[in-house]
Amino acid sequence: DTGVSQDPRHKITKRGQNVTFRCDPISEHNRLYWYRQTLGQGPEFLTYFQNEAQLEKSRLLSDRFSAERPKGSFSTLEIQRTEQGDSAMYLCASSPEGGGAQYFGPGTRLLVL
Amino acid sequence: AQSVSQHNHHVILSEAASLELGCNYSYGGTVNLFWYVQYPGQHLQLLLKYFSGDPLVKGIKGFEAEFIKSKFSFNLRKPSVQWSDTAEYFCAVFTNAGKSTFGDGTTLTVKP
Repeated sequence: DTGVSQDPRHKITKRGQNVTFRCDPISEHNRLYWYRQTLGQGPEFLTYFQNEAQLEKSRLLSDRFSAERPKGSFSTLEIQRTEQGDSAMYLCASSPEGGGAQYFGPGTRLLVL
Repeated sequence: AQSVSQHNHHVILSEAASLELGCNYSYGGTVNLFWYVQYPGQHLQLLLKYFSGDPLVKGIKGFEAEFIKSKFSFNLRKPSVQWSDTAEYFCAVFTNAGKSTFGDGTTLTVKP
């Protein structure tokens, strides 16, 4: 399967713990995006990378959130000191070019207790 | 600021009925327009896209959408829906600079 993959698919954590999610994009895609989606809403843009450079971050991305794409391939999204409001589906997408179609992974569903 | 508005939150149709889902966006520059679909239990899939040229674009499964620049609209249509079209539909706007905005989605339920 050469689609976008995300790991883990589900994560349950206690408030205050740190969590890290991984995204593996389609191999030839140089753009990688992170979104957050809650029930009844569309995906909300968090950040995106072109190769290893993080080019834009949403104001939704507080200081507790950090994303990396160290070698321009896979990416990680870390949430420190999780809060109940962080409970959501975290989506990753990749694209071969700016403005082009984005291809989504299955998402990581986070539940903060 | 860029925004996308989908007017219908939930649409219920009988099989063979025609479908039109509204999408309006606001952005001052050049945008690329998309419709994505999420079937129950599956991840977001691309339905169709518009970059330039013919404003009437055709996608998979008989869907089409029309870009009307003067109205900032990109409505999705299908002449005859099937039960298998039951899903959530998202309109999205992407810019070449990487800014991406989705609407809040429309849930379509098709009754057999």
